Amino acid sequence: DTAVSQTPKYLVTQMGNDKSIKCEQNLGHDTMYWYKQDSKKFLKIMFSYNNKELIINETVPNRFSPKSPDKAHLNLHINSLELGDSAVYFCASSQDPQGTPSATQYFGPGTRLTVL
Amino acid sequence: AQSVTQLDSQVPVFEEAPVELRCNYSSSVSVYLFWYVQYPNQGLQLLLKYLSGSTLVKGINGFEAEFNKSQTSFHLRKPSVHISDTAEYFCAVTVYNQGGKLIFGQGTELSVKP
Repeated sequence: DTAVSQTPKYLVTQMGNDKSIKCEQNLGHDTMYWYKQDSKKFLKIMFSYNNKELIINETVPNRFSPKSPDKAHLNLHINSLELGDSAVYFCASSQDPQGTPSATQYFGPGTRLTVL
Repeated sequence: AQSVTQLDSQVPVFEEAPVELRCNYSSSVSVYLFWYVQYPNQGLQLLLKYLSGSTLVKGINGFEAEFNKSQTSFHLRKPSVHISDTAEYFCAVTVYNQGGKLIFGQGTELSVKP
């Protein structure tokens, strides 16, 4: 059973398009995250949600909008895609009620987004 | 603000040799420390974490790390590596009251050669 799953695994699209990446976790966790890994493999937090409520919103362009329909899902919608959005996007989840810093985060397999 | 520095971007080593991957952090408040591993084309997996207590932490796959508060370091070690340990290794910290976000170092690519 996949604990944290993401779809699609690969996404190739043109500049200016709008796309979504879906994330689901079957661990019963309360908190979910989106991280971006750039071409140099550097990882940076984008957003986190705790039980459908936004708790972290880093300095991310407002073209990126997370949506959490329920606590098992956290989707990432990106408008007007730019070349610089090309990266690997990772979803993660953790079992903690308030974004507890000691909780282990479980990562999905990643979505490689390529903007042409 | 917190930051994490991994001192080596690439570490080549022969199979069965010992290895140390170095990590230093900077923070004005107490931190929790993590090491994650990323195998090629996969997500990240927790190797070990330090929360409190004994400064020597043992993790999966024979890895261990030592927290040194005075040197603000959390180096990862393994006494004898295998080919299957070839991967990218990330050191990370979290702090209280920041929603649990992981702040990562730049990563160290461990390459184990036969």
